[in-house]
Amino acid sequence: GAVVSQHPSRVICKSGTSVKIECRSLDFQATTMFWYRQFPKQSLMLMATSNEGSKATYEQGVEKDKFLINHASLTLSTLTVTSAHPEDSSFYICSARASAGSVNEQFFGPGTRLTVL
Amino acid sequence: GIQVEQSPPDLILQEGANSTLRCNFSDSVNNLQWFHQNPWGQLINLFYIPSGTKQNGRLSATTVATERYSLLYISSSQTTDSGVYFCAPGGGYQKVTFGTGTKLQVIP
Repeated sequence: GAVVSQHPSRVICKSGTSVKIECRSLDFQATTMFWYRQFPKQSLMLMATSNEGSKATYEQGVEKDKFLINHASLTLSTLTVTSAHPEDSSFYICSARASAGSVNEQFFGPGTRLTVL
Repeated sequence: GIQVEQSPPDLILQEGANSTLRCNFSDSVNNLQWFHQNPWGQLINLFYIPSGTKQNGRLSATTVATERYSLLYISSSQTTDSGVYFCAPGGGYQKVTFGTGTKLQVIP
């Protein structure tokens, strides 16, 4: 149990376009989901925390107008990279915290690799 | 925020060897997870271990929360163990902070 999926797993887009990444908790409800970014050969950095039905909380230095987060249901959060540029190329990973049961764990998705040309 | 240091940063092992990876963290946490990121980038949860010791096959982990460190043991290493190992204190209602990682290469 406690599976988190991400879609797409890999995306290549042209500079200036917008890209949407989905994060789904498949077998549990997640009140809170988290979005991380990983640049090559670096660790994962928290970008934002999203709570179902409310606005996301962004970490310092993350542009909320560029990285739009929507958490419309207890099983789905989306990250939209707007007007993507090559410097946005990165590995994006989401995680989800269960609403009940194993609430102290965060379950991570497999990640989405974004390449902006 | 919490500071997380992992050691060693890089490790090369001969297949079959054993190793210990260490994670030190600066503040008290209620939770801690160990992850393996394989060469394709996929993040695999190895252990959820806020305290005590757990074992899963050739891997085991120990967290001493009062002394703010955790250890990951890999025994009889295999080439498929190669990748980056991350320690990540936090979870639940706490932010998860990833350590700098230990890059492991197991050679035949």
